[in-house]
Amino acid sequence: GQQVMQIPQYQHVQEGEDFTTYCNSSTTLSNIQWYKQRPGGHPVFLIQLVKSGEVKKQKRLTFQFGEAKKNSSLHITATQTTDVGTYFCAGLRNSNYQLIWGAGTKLIIKP
Amino acid sequence: DTGVSQDPRHKITKRGQNVTFRCDPISEHNRLYWYRQTLGQGPEFLTYFQNEAQLEKSRLLSDRFSAERPKGSFSTLEIQRTEQGDSAMYLCASSVARASGPYNEQFFGPGTRLTVL
Repeated sequence: GQQVMQIPQYQHVQEGEDFTTYCNSSTTLSNIQWYKQRPGGHPVFLIQLVKSGEVKKQKRLTFQFGEAKKNSSLHITATQTTDVGTYFCAGLRNSNYQLIWGAGTKLIIKP
Repeated sequence: DTGVSQDPRHKITKRGQNVTFRCDPISEHNRLYWYRQTLGQGPEFLTYFQNEAQLEKSRLLSDRFSAERPKGSFSTLEIQRTEQGDSAMYLCASSVARASGPYNEQFFGPGTRLTVL
């Protein structure tokens, strides 16, 4: 069945360093969403990408959707302690309402 | 608080018992989803309602799981004859359906953590 692979599983950074997580789908997606889950919390919607090659920015966060609509990335510039959490991508196929979630990338700030 | 609420927040049960969880979505949201999440994994889709109609159910979902949304508002998820492998966080989410345009963002509740002993 369709899968969304997300890498890396963890990323340890010093505060101020950049962070990137990548998602790849085995099939074309109609759109992709990104969520953040803080430790002990629930997923919170960040953004949705719909168009091929789309790039969206939210302050220090940059989201990209690949030309083939099979991959996506989230890049955080100059990480802060408030960025700590797990970032999930979730893709939607054209044919149904089921979001297929990646396993998430956990952002850890080194002390 | 006008967000998605779930009850109970925690449930400990013995193997073989039945459990039922409740989700109250955001009032104007007509779409409701149930997910299961285990440690270190993303949410796993279980089922989806639009109003009171259950439109999609995961093929991976055992027959021991059933969900209802009788009046198109709150929803219940029942697990019969629980097994230790059912231990997980059960998340509910809701969204607004649009007639056209992009699929909408989902708003998640705090979840119900189930522990099966």
